Amino acid sequence: DTGVSQDPRHKITKRGQNVTFRCDPISEHNRLYWYRQTLGQGPEFLTYFQNEAQLEKSRLLSDRFSAERPKGSFSTLEIQRTEQGDSAMYLCASSWDRGYNEQFFGPGTRLTVL
Amino acid sequence: GNSVTQMEGPVTLSEEAFLTINCTYTATGYPSLFWYVQYPGEGLQLLLKATKADDKGSNKGFEATYRKETTSFHLEKGSVQVSDSAVYFCALIPLAGGTSYGKLTFGQGTILTVHP
Repeated sequence: DTGVSQDPRHKITKRGQNVTFRCDPISEHNRLYWYRQTLGQGPEFLTYFQNEAQLEKSRLLSDRFSAERPKGSFSTLEIQRTEQGDSAMYLCASSWDRGYNEQFFGPGTRLTVL
Repeated sequence: GNSVTQMEGPVTLSEEAFLTINCTYTATGYPSLFWYVQYPGEGLQLLLKATKADDKGSNKGFEATYRKETTSFHLEKGSVQVSDSAVYFCALIPLAGGTSYGKLTFGQGTILTVHP
């Protein structure tokens, strides 16, 4: 297993456009998380899934954001009608749902909204 | 709510100097504590962890001890190298009744630069 992968690594878009990011977790992990990291800050939690169920969503996740994990494997994060304030690094992580829940992170998708 | 506070950076050291990065936390229950490292151009990597009071996490010469009485988890290394230059994040996951609530709460990060 090569770890958590994310695609694309970089995305530049114009304000008002929709974007979709994909995350492939470590195959045996049943939990998947999305975080957002802005420059000079630590990552902030957005949402997480256990298998295909979305168990929690942060208040940071406005109505323009939607995440899915249809078969309990890969996940997508879509941002509709992007705004300049959405520019950030979007991080995906995966883990088991037991013990101390060590999370393994992907390389992230850097979004720039012009 | 849960929060993590790290010492303000950036931190600049000479090679072989002693490193301390302070981290304090506020959490309900008994959290697990983590240090993550982000090298330039790379993703977050778990550096070390501690899951209960008085546990010491260690890895690559770095250490941190879970101090419940002071709600702290300071990162230390006796002799830093140029290759340790990175951003370091302290983080927690709250636990209650043996169940992880899953989401990590991070500090703001501390940039470490080590000069030869």
